Amino acid sequence: GESVGLHLPTLSVQEGDNSIINCAYSNSASDYFIWYKQESGKGPQFIIDIRSNMDKRQGQRVTVLLNKTVKHLSLQIAATQPGDSAVYFCAENSRYSGGGADGLTFGKGTHLIIQP
Amino acid sequence: DGGITQSPKYLFRKEGQNVTLSCEQNLNHDAMYWYRQDPGQGLRLIYYSQIVNDFQKGDIAEGYSVSREKKESFPLTVTSAQKNPTAFYLCASSIGRAAGANVLTFGAGSRLTVL
Repeated sequence: GESVGLHLPTLSVQEGDNSIINCAYSNSASDYFIWYKQESGKGPQFIIDIRSNMDKRQGQRVTVLLNKTVKHLSLQIAATQPGDSAVYFCAENSRYSGGGADGLTFGKGTHLIIQP
Repeated sequence: DGGITQSPKYLFRKEGQNVTLSCEQNLNHDAMYWYRQDPGQGLRLIYYSQIVNDFQKGDIAEGYSVSREKKESFPLTVTSAQKNPTAFYLCASSIGRAAGANVLTFGAGSRLTVL
């Protein structure tokens, strides 16, 4: 899910299929992770979060999986709909940052495109 | 409805001018933040404030200034010292520095273009 340069990675899926968006992180001290959805020209919206004492957390049509061994986070969206088209990005926070959102480090994002 | 209001949505600036972006929240959140978003990059923190009359520099504070005279308001001034100000600016708020207080509520953003 991380990109190099100006172009975001793009994931194109058929409407109704499941989507998996990935995010790698490097800080072994990260203990809190969050996914945001950003539609074109709008501010990001909270989707789901997970703490490092969990491996999986489910929301409505979304599941976040955390693999601390390989420092990998994924967001699964079930039965994708046209409204799911957006940029999705992860953020992480370290237990040493003091607990405030100022400690968040944001990924560059993945552009999810839903094909009809 | 509770939320964050940013204005203006679009702003054009000539080189050498200062501009101020407005951010107002009615969520009763203690903490407020300004981020800059450039194409293909993650959000970068400009300034943040955990409480009224106090604010801290983020990762890219040079060329920017803020004030926090009221809990509800956290305006950002982009000064002429900012060499590359064209970007999408996002204001956010959170309940404050507490366990689990990482969830940010974002405004709709302000797009600044330097002519």
